Amino acid sequence: SAVISQKPSRDICQRGTSLTIQCQVDSQVTMMFWYRQQPGQSLTLIATANQGSEATYESGFVIDKFPISRPNLTFSTLTVSNMSPEDSSIYLCSVEDGDRGVNTEAFFGQGTRLTVV
Amino acid sequence: GNSVTQMEGPVTLSEEAFLTINCTYTATGYPSLFWYVQYPGEGLQLLLKATKADDKGSNKGFEATYRKETTSFHLEKGSVQVSDSAVYFCALSDNTGKLIFGQGTTLQVKP
Repeated sequence: SAVISQKPSRDICQRGTSLTIQCQVDSQVTMMFWYRQQPGQSLTLIATANQGSEATYESGFVIDKFPISRPNLTFSTLTVSNMSPEDSSIYLCSVEDGDRGVNTEAFFGQGTRLTVV
Repeated sequence: GNSVTQMEGPVTLSEEAFLTINCTYTATGYPSLFWYVQYPGEGLQLLLKATKADDKGSNKGFEATYRKETTSFHLEKGSVQVSDSAVYFCALSDNTGKLIFGQGTTLQVKP
């Protein structure tokens, strides 16, 4: 199983600023994902972080707001740009481990609890 | 598109009561189905999974059966404990690695 370290675990930020969240995995993984969990809500996929190419964003999420880097197979960052209070959420990194379609299992980091004031 | 619907919470039970949390899904093809659990102050953890119709996933006394005919994956436990208090998420994967989650159900078990 993959072990994921996410930093920071929490932060309080001023509106208009940006925060970069780091995700480090203890093994090489092909697929890395970023999710958002708004207060009292479920998890929503923001994007798939692709190694060596641009991230693939889900509907409603754009690169200018959530730029993502994936320099290698064990690390990714998500930046929340020009923050507003509506961005207050838990942001989670996830990786997929196992054979696609059969033994797929997703592992999650502890999450970054972001509060924008 | 694909979607997951869970029963709304919160669910409050006494210790040793029987638990059912309903989950239904809409999907094309043959998705894999999952239950994740989020204990207070902790990250999301896989509880159990099923990858094809009629499979039963089980872990820690929890069970769920992949029912294609009713597009359901209800979570059950025969006797809940206080330590089971958590938020439970039903999810599906179309085997691209992406997960689609239900809205989550908060379970509170009282002694």
